[in-house]
Amino acid sequence: DGGITQSPKYLFRKEGQNVTLSCEQNLNHDAMYWYRQDPGQGLRLIYYSQIVNDFQKGDIAEGYSVSREKKESFPLTVTSAQKNPTAFYLCASRIRAGTSGAYEQYFGPGTRLTVT
Amino acid sequence: EDKVVQSPLSLVVHEGDTVTLNCSYEVTNFRSLLWYKQEKKAPTFLFMLTSSGIEKKSGRLSSILDKKELSSILNITATQTGDSAIYLCATDAAGGFKTIFGAGTRLFVKA
Repeated sequence: DGGITQSPKYLFRKEGQNVTLSCEQNLNHDAMYWYRQDPGQGLRLIYYSQIVNDFQKGDIAEGYSVSREKKESFPLTVTSAQKNPTAFYLCASRIRAGTSGAYEQYFGPGTRLTVT
Repeated sequence: EDKVVQSPLSLVVHEGDTVTLNCSYEVTNFRSLLWYKQEKKAPTFLFMLTSSGIEKKSGRLSSILDKKELSSILNITATQTGDSAIYLCATDAAGGFKTIFGAGTRLFVKA
């Protein structure tokens, strides 16, 4: 089955520790994204990558880092510099849909990170 | 700055009611508008609306894009408790690499 997997589903960490969230896709999509979701705030873009070995900051990149060494993998590291890391993190990939030029996003199941 | 605004932010209805969720956008080089349903985890895709497809319907759900008013509505008729979810609206711009999401409308359908 093709899709996006994220692990773990739930993650607990102590303040001051870095933590890496995994995102893997076997859809052969070039573009991948990391979003953060807080209650009442929809999805906010952290980082995105259009192609292997290239990535760009999104709207709230401070305190986060990513890598894109393989097409299938786009891990996100939440560093100790991120002031409010507790949130629901969603990974997504994107592909052109039909002939309209529009894109459709596919989401992973998410990782809920709690930092205490 | 591109943005998407949804209203209302939350809504409580009874089973059988019809609801209309609103989405307005300001996007340079608009290409498409997307609706997603999110129930506790990953958003699932509902509809994509573009200039060539401004009205979509699937069962009790339907959506219309008004490019003149820069807005879209999502209608759900004969609501069921299983429709309880967050409904997200998002837009995509031509030549852009980002999808812009609204804050979502949280719908709760009471039995």
